Amino acid sequence: QKEVEQDPGPLSVPEGAIVSLNCTYSNSAFQYFMWYRQYSRKGPELLMYTYSSGNKEDGRFTAQVDKSSKYISLFIRDSQPSDSATYLCAMKYNQGGKLIFGQGTELSVKP
Amino acid sequence: DGGITQSPKYLFRKEGQNVTLSCEQNLNHDAMYWYRQDPGQGLRLIYYSQIVNDFQKGDIAEGYSVSREKKESFPLTVTSAQKNPTAFYLCASSMVATPRSGANVLTFGAGSRLTVL
Repeated sequence: QKEVEQDPGPLSVPEGAIVSLNCTYSNSAFQYFMWYRQYSRKGPELLMYTYSSGNKEDGRFTAQVDKSSKYISLFIRDSQPSDSATYLCAMKYNQGGKLIFGQGTELSVKP
Repeated sequence: DGGITQSPKYLFRKEGQNVTLSCEQNLNHDAMYWYRQDPGQGLRLIYYSQIVNDFQKGDIAEGYSVSREKKESFPLTVTSAQKNPTAFYLCASSMVATPRSGANVLTFGAGSRLTVL
């Protein structure tokens, strides 16, 4: 069993839809949670960063961490074609530890 | 502009050849990393270095080698011992985590795509 599981998709939604991207993990010791966005043929870029449980909002993006269920989510409101990319969740146990990535979910937002 | 430069963007290799991928950063980051990305498998850590002249193996180091002679540079050599080298290779860098700086968030380069003919 992988430490971090992410539905690879692909996920296709119409413009304006609310998108929910999810990851589950097996080790309750993870404390730092991140979402990276990767456009085709590019490197990933950090989108959201959360420490421990709770929600964090940045514009149309909301990151949610539920440590009791070992589940993290990224919500995208009013999705745009420019949101079409692969979204990677990542997490680590401590500040200096190794970052563990999910497989990535490919999202396509259709105009 | 500060960032990470990877070259070449595309590279073709014949079986049995060694190739070297370049990674240069001007972010003044202490730590540098090499990841391999394959479809459906996310990012897997090959090697990382937290300080000049020191580096550690990641999860899939076999068939790869690195050097860290300068803070700004962390080249990766894909040797002929790597049985399945066709992949997208990503270099990243970060500050070393401290209680004051918090978790070391990675900044990635644009990647190098290696294809074995």
